[in-house]
Amino acid sequence: DGGITQSPKYLFRKEGQNVTLSCEQNLNHDAMYWYRQDPGQGLRLIYYSQIVNDFQKGDIAEGYSVSREKKESFPLTVTSAQKNPTAFYLCASSPRRWEGYTFGSGTRLTVV
Amino acid sequence: GDSVTQMEGPVTLSEEAFLTINCTYTATGYPSLFWYVQYPGEGLQLLLKATKADDKGSNKGFEATYRKETTSFHLEKGSVQVSDSAVYFCALTQTTGNQFYFGTGTSLTVIP
Repeated sequence: DGGITQSPKYLFRKEGQNVTLSCEQNLNHDAMYWYRQDPGQGLRLIYYSQIVNDFQKGDIAEGYSVSREKKESFPLTVTSAQKNPTAFYLCASSPRRWEGYTFGSGTRLTVV
Repeated sequence: GDSVTQMEGPVTLSEEAFLTINCTYTATGYPSLFWYVQYPGEGLQLLLKATKADDKGSNKGFEATYRKETTSFHLEKGSVQVSDSAVYFCALTQTTGNQFYFGTGTSLTVIP
């Protein structure tokens, strides 16, 4: 079955450490997205990519970085510059935005 | 700019009650409208969508009609079940531009 796989499901980060969240899709979708979800704040766009080797900042890109070397993969790195990284991170993909997104099951990141 | 406003929760209903979750939008032109559902600890799943005025999206007993005249896309279900307990997100996107706009989510709890 086609879908989006996010890993790990739970991730713990120490202060000052960079961590990378994995997102892989086998839907052959061109566009991929990263969102952050905090309680009561809905979803906020971090980065998005419409084609391989190209990506754009979203509304809250500071402290995050991404790469898009393959169509199937869009990893997100949470750097030490992100001062409040504890959140639920969602990856999504879409063939054409007006058809809607397919979401992964999310990664919950906690700073310890 | 474009935006989505949905009723604040939490909403608590008894099993078999009628559900309405209000969603209104602000947008130019004719956006596509969506309802997503998020079960605890999981990603978002597309519930239904409508791409033009007067379209009715439906799935799993849920319905929503795209009302251009009132800029609304209210979610309804005639008889809710305990398994419908989740957070529901209204969203819109345009065929141009790069943004997908989500509401802040409405938490629904159905009690037996």
